[in-house]
Amino acid sequence: DAGITQSPRHKVTETGTPVTLRCHQTENHRYMYWYRQDPGHGLRLIHYSYGVKDTDKGEVSDGYSVSRSKTEDFLLTLESATSSQTSVYFCAISESGQRTDTQYFGPGTRLTVL
Amino acid sequence: AQSVTQLDSQVPVFEEAPVELRCNYSSSVSVYLFWYVQYPNQGLQLLLKYLSGSTLVKGINGFEAEFNKSQTSFHLRKPSVHISDTAEYFCAVFGGYNKLIFGAGTRLAVHP
Repeated sequence: DAGITQSPRHKVTETGTPVTLRCHQTENHRYMYWYRQDPGHGLRLIHYSYGVKDTDKGEVSDGYSVSRSKTEDFLLTLESATSSQTSVYFCAISESGQRTDTQYFGPGTRLTVL
Repeated sequence: AQSVTQLDSQVPVFEEAPVELRCNYSSSVSVYLFWYVQYPNQGLQLLLKYLSGSTLVKGINGFEAEFNKSQTSFHLRKPSVHISDTAEYFCAVFGGYNKLIFGAGTRLAVHP
């Protein structure tokens, strides 16, 4: 299994509070991704990173920001959580981001916003 | 723009029966296709991928998929399922700019 950990694994928070989710990898892969999983939607890309301090938006980036100060860590921040951001969040990594690459997924973080 | 449609949200099947999970894609460029499996309370794991070459792709756990360009399909099959195959299955297409576009998922329930 790819060395990907996510923390916390579960979180319950209240509307309007800031939340930060962490993804940590031990594979030294260049690309890292944040997805959210919702019933009927599969997984949708929030943001991704192609190197330290290099990030870009995905299809559902509104209300989210990311940071990557080290190769191994990719942080997802909800500046002011809303109930619509209740979801399961997955981090993924890939070595080069090429179309032939496999993306490896972490175990997920279940976030509930009350 | 690329997109993926998984035609069945749920597929019930009895143990040792064959199963097919259907996936159709839309793409205007070269196609790279993937099937992932998600076991309960776990992350996604790659089952198989089509990049080029033979249209029949074999994956882990006895699964295989066939790429059909004329029908824009990439259906997943297994000749005999086990209880342990109960999971959610996701079809995905490489969407360019290092992104995967996922379908909504198919929940496979294997009954004894």
